[in-house]
Amino acid sequence: AQSVTQPDIHITVSEGASLELRCNYSYGATPYLFWYVQSPGQGLQLLLKYFSGDTLVQGIKGFEAEFKRSQSSFNLRKPSVHWSDAAEYFCAVGGATSGTYKYIFGTGTRLKVLA
Amino acid sequence: DTGVSQDPRHKITKRGQNVTFRCDPISEHNRLYWYRQTLGQGPEFLTYFQNEAQLEKSRLLSDRFSAERPKGSFSTLEIQRTEQGDSAMYLCASSYSNSPLHFGNGTRLTVT
Repeated sequence: AQSVTQPDIHITVSEGASLELRCNYSYGATPYLFWYVQSPGQGLQLLLKYFSGDTLVQGIKGFEAEFKRSQSSFNLRKPSVHWSDAAEYFCAVGGATSGTYKYIFGTGTRLKVLA
Repeated sequence: DTGVSQDPRHKITKRGQNVTFRCDPISEHNRLYWYRQTLGQGPEFLTYFQNEAQLEKSRLLSDRFSAERPKGSFSTLEIQRTEQGDSAMYLCASSYSNSPLHFGNGTRLTVT
């Protein structure tokens, strides 16, 4: 069965510090992996995606993520956090399994940025 | 590309009433998804369509919930005999084949 685990419910970092948000997944085939960001009262915005190829993917707003098949992980990183990055971040896994294209989301990590 | 549009943005209803939400996907997108999100949780899959065909429905979804996408364009999600536990944000997303999901801003339902 598909599942996504985001072990950190809340993370607090200082502005300018580096950031890593963890994501582990369970999936029966080659997964499609995504990171989304959600600001309060808004829908989800795609930060980056991994389908295949280079395991280090670049996204918008200076974010990157690395796919590690051996660890079933897809962690999100940013070298220097800005106050505007404060939001909730969701990891998602999906793709074709049993002929359907369902996408499963983790429970999210809420990022707080200290000035 | 006008994005995914959801209507209404907010809905307050009394327990036992029926409600219907509408989603207009990005025009060329063939897949349309409904998710439910409660406070502090990630989006929970409800159902999805490829064109007009409903291909999967979550086993967690009660029979009070029904979704349609009659002409493969817009979709409606109806909840019959609403309960307080139905209070949540209902998110619609669309995609073209295997492209990432594009989300609307959601409909927030409050059942009193």
